[in-house]
Amino acid sequence: QVTLKESGPALVKPTQTLTLTCTFSGVSLSSPGMRVSWIRQPPGKALEWLARIDWDDDDFYSPSLRSRLTISKDASKNQVVLTMTNMDPVDTATYFCALSSVRWSLDDWGQGTLVTVSS
Amino acid sequence: DIQMTQSPSSLSASVGDRVTITCQASQDIRHYLNWYQQKPGRAPKVLIYDVSNLERGVPSRFSGSRSGTDFTFTISSLQPEDTGTYYCQQYHTLVTFGQGTRLDIK
Repeated sequence: QVTLKESGPALVKPTQTLTLTCTFSGVSLSSPGMRVSWIRQPPGKALEWLARIDWDDDDFYSPSLRSRLTISKDASKNQVVLTMTNMDPVDTATYFCALSSVRWSLDDWGQGTLVTVSS
Repeated sequence: DIQMTQSPSSLSASVGDRVTITCQASQDIRHYLNWYQQKPGRAPKVLIYDVSNLERGVPSRFSGSRSGTDFTFTISSLQPEDTGTYYCQQYHTLVTFGQGTRLDIK
């Protein structure tokens, strides 16, 4: 059974850097075809894809947020880390990590973690 | 960037009704289109992948189709448990979600 769980601060101040960790079990990110994405959802709003890292270390970013995002992985720990710089109140959202493997659909999701940006 | 225009933004229908949601891609995305259902406070769940393939365990009343850059998601007979918000998602170039359709029961 595949499980994913996001962790990180619930509250960050404007201009700070957010670091979120996705810890997963039941799969190995070293396996060919494994891809982990980060997606966020502001309260009451739509899903927004942020970034993805693949089993072979290829990484991809939302064009609108590329300058602020870094995604990395530690396959030995089954973790994927997302950093977002220069946080702003508009970045307040629930942040999800999700896994794709054989297919390109986001098949397994974490429960999400709410991050509030406020001074 | 590929834009996904989803409509309607909200929908209210009766149990047993046929419900249709559409997504239009800003360019050709071939078959690279998935549909998700999200319940309040929960993560999204994939229902249909690659336009028309039903995820395992998803009821057959859900279906999807494509005509060019227009994609349609259909519930043939709406059930009370189908309430929630539905999203289309393209993965032809990176990933883009539609704006969502909130579905509730009349």
